Amino acid sequence: AQSVTQPDIHITVSEGASLELRCNYSYGATPYLFWYVQSPGQGLQLLLKYFSGDTLVQGIKGFEAEFKRSQSSFNLRKPSVHWSDAAEYFCAVIDMNSGYSTLTFGKGTMLLVSP
Amino acid sequence: DAEITQSPRHKITETGRQVTLACHQTWNHNNMFWYRQDLGHGLRLIHYSYGVQDTNKGEVSDGYSVSRSNTEDLPLTLESAASSQTSVYFCASSLLAGGNEQYFGPGTRLTVT
Repeated sequence: AQSVTQPDIHITVSEGASLELRCNYSYGATPYLFWYVQSPGQGLQLLLKYFSGDTLVQGIKGFEAEFKRSQSSFNLRKPSVHWSDAAEYFCAVIDMNSGYSTLTFGKGTMLLVSP
Repeated sequence: DAEITQSPRHKITETGRQVTLACHQTWNHNNMFWYRQDLGHGLRLIHYSYGVQDTNKGEVSDGYSVSRSNTEDLPLTLESAASSQTSVYFCASSLLAGGNEQYFGPGTRLTVT
């Protein structure tokens, strides 16, 4: 079965430091990949997505992610974290070969930002 | 501006009662989805619809039903609420099948006592 793994449940980063959130997926073919952010009490907002082409994609709020097929990974990065980035981050995948457009989500990584 | 809304935002109900959560989108999207979010599980798909009169079961559909009578609405019904259905429910929509971005509503927090 298809699955998405976010190995880190919680991550604490100092304000101004760099950030990398990990995401691994288990699919045979090329998936469509997404990162969403959820602020407390809010719905999910799309940060960025990868369908094809350049494996480094830029998103909103200064985030980027790199698709590495050999590692089945789609890690999210930000060079300098701001206190407002504290939120929960979800990696999600659509397996285009399945014939469906349903998202499979990872369990999320909670980002805490320390002063 | 186009949006996706959910109502109510909070609901407390008793075990065994029927509950309906509303989802309304003004994006004119074909696809609509219902997820539940639980600590340690992320978001799990309950039901989804690719258009009017179309409904499909997701990963955790037992005890839930949906109907799609128009493009804008996909109400989620809990036939007989159980304590295990205490959760936060999110509705989402997307324009096309495939890799189109899904837009999420603000969520409904449901407590079953």
